[in-house]
Amino acid sequence: RKEVEQDPGPFNVPEGATVAFNCTYSNSASQSFFWYRQDCRKEPKLLMSVYSSGNEDGRFTAQLNRASQYISLLIRDSKLSDSATYLCVVRPTGANNLFFGTGTRLTVIP
Amino acid sequence: NAGVTQTPKFQVLKTGQSMTLQCAQDMNHNSMYWYRQDPGMGLRLIYYSASEGTTDKGEVPNGYNVSRLNKREFSLRLESAAPSQTSVYFCASSLRTGPNYEQYFGPGTRLTVT
Repeated sequence: RKEVEQDPGPFNVPEGATVAFNCTYSNSASQSFFWYRQDCRKEPKLLMSVYSSGNEDGRFTAQLNRASQYISLLIRDSKLSDSATYLCVVRPTGANNLFFGTGTRLTVIP
Repeated sequence: NAGVTQTPKFQVLKTGQSMTLQCAQDMNHNSMYWYRQDPGMGLRLIYYSASEGTTDKGEVPNGYNVSRLNKREFSLRLESAAPSQTSVYFCASSLRTGPNYEQYFGPGTRLTVT
């Protein structure tokens, strides 16, 4: 079983739409959670960390549900520049490395 | 600051050839990592170096060796390349290996083994 599972999409949404991605993780002892963004043929970059209480950064909201072992990312008022692949990332307790999901591809259409 | 740099950007090898991928960071980070990214698999950790002088295996170390040359540089060597090693290789660094330290990635090396 994969450590992190995501719906690969693609999600095609119009500008201004709200879109949500979910991912599930298998290790209940996971400690840290992140969303990374990866543009086509580029390196991943940290979008935001995910905290237990949920957190917001502008149009982006991340939530964590430890009981169900899933993480979500909500993007409001989508922009063309939001088109990218969003990677769900988990660090199990005691692990030095990160476990990446395969990514969910988002295309925002004019 | 350049951040994390990798060379080469592209490489084509024949089966059995060897090569070394180079990575350097100028952020004075202690920890460095090598990942590979394959379609449908996500990024997987090959090796990491928590600090200068130490290296440890990740999820998929077979067929690779690493050297932490100094605090700045962390190289990945393929001794005898195989088609299964065709992938995009990313180097990353972080201040430390703890849970709250962001990893910064280099631009990647696209390797094809024929």
